[in-house]
Order: sequence, then C-alpha cells, then structure tokens
Amino acid sequence: DTEVTQTPKHLVMGMTNKKSLKCEQHMGHRAMYWYKQKAKKPPELMFVYSYEKLSINESVPSRFSPECPNSSLLNLHLHALQPEDSALYLCASSPGLAGRQNSYEQYFGPGTRLTVT
Amino acid sequence: DQQVKQNSPSLSVQEGRISILNCDYTNSMFDYFLWYKKYPAEGPTFLISISSIKDKNEDGRFTVFLNKSAKHLSLHIVPSQPGDSAVYFCAASAYGGATNKLIFGTGTLLAVQP
Repeated sequence: DTEVTQTPKHLVMGMTNKKSLKCEQHMGHRAMYWYKQKAKKPPELMFVYSYEKLSINESVPSRFSPECPNSSLLNLHLHALQPEDSALYLCASSPGLAGRQNSYEQYFGPGTRLTVT
Repeated sequence: DQQVKQNSPSLSVQEGRISILNCDYTNSMFDYFLWYKKYPAEGPTFLISISSIKDKNEDGRFTVFLNKSAKHLSLHIVPSQPGDSAVYFCAASAYGGATNKLIFGTGTLLAVQP
C-alpha cells in the first residue's frame, strides 16, 4: 500500500479564516513533507518532518504552521492567508531511513486545492 | 536558479512508439534521480528512480538513463500508450540522511496519440 490521503480535497477560505489541511499515511514512513504547487509549475518544498520533528522549513511565512501529531499524521494550519497562497498543497512521505536508497522515494497524496478569496 | 531543467515543455508521440523525455541538472552533488508522472488535479506518482552509481535502470516499459558527465538523464517509455499522457517531472536529490530534499524540473507534458 503506497497511499497517502489528504483532506479536504478542495478548500475555499477568506483571508481572515483559520483552517487546517490534513495528511495521513500508514506505510510506516518516518519522514513527511508539505509541498505547494502553482499551475504549470513544479512542486515547491515547504516543510519536512523527520521522526515527528520539524527538520526543514524552507523560509515559509508564519501564516503556514505545520504540525506532526504522530508518525502517521501531518497537519498544515492556515491563518490570514493571501490570495497568492491559492495553490495545490501536496503532502508526501518517504521511508526516512538514513543510508537506505529508497529513503529518497517520496509518495504523494492527491493534494488539497486551496482557494483564498 | 533552476538546478533541474526539462527544456521540452511538451512532447507528442504516436501510440506504440517510443517516448523520450529529457532532463538536465547543474548540481554535481545530486546523487539520486527520480521520475514522477502527474495527472491534472492529482498528486505526482512515483515511476522510477536511479542512483548516481548506475547508468541505467529498467522497470517494465520504463527505462531511465543517466549520463553523469553530461549531467543529463532521460526517461524512455516503450511502447507508449494513451494512458501515459500526463505531465512528467524529473527530480533530483543530494544525500541528506533520513530526509532528502527533492528538486523538481519544470515538467514535460506528454501526449500519446491513438
């Protein structure tokens, strides 16, 4: 099973709203990732969690707040977003085992299409 | 600075023929390369990968070739099928321990004509 699930599939929010995106995997992976993808562009890394600890923050604005409650779950809390934050938000996971070749292989969820009005 | 480049935004191929998608990179520290396929409104799907210690990796209809001296890799799909029509991203990574940043190329839209 190489499934990563994300909810919701679509989200429309105003600039003053607070919302959360959720991601779940049951592959026993220990690394989880948030990416942002704009139309006709490649995915851009936002955050990386390794063993439930934040290991990489790609200088993402504080209006995006990640959380990893346990090894299977990853959340992205959104607050005071701007219209330019509208994008497809992708979650991914990888085995996260140092020294293992397949630690590079990331498996993506279907994404949440976010629209900020 | 685009470290991973896919210079062909689109490619059209007849069903049954070979599709060749190309990718160039600039960072000599990259040691692992991956190809992903993406349909609209879906997340990328992992296809095939190759380590820098190899020059070829094959999985069914998909073969990836790596030319380290030219900093170039390619994905061959033989035979191409209409269901292969999608955007293909190459991605590269430098070993970072348990977690590895993937740097994606800009993607190539493959259209396989029946």
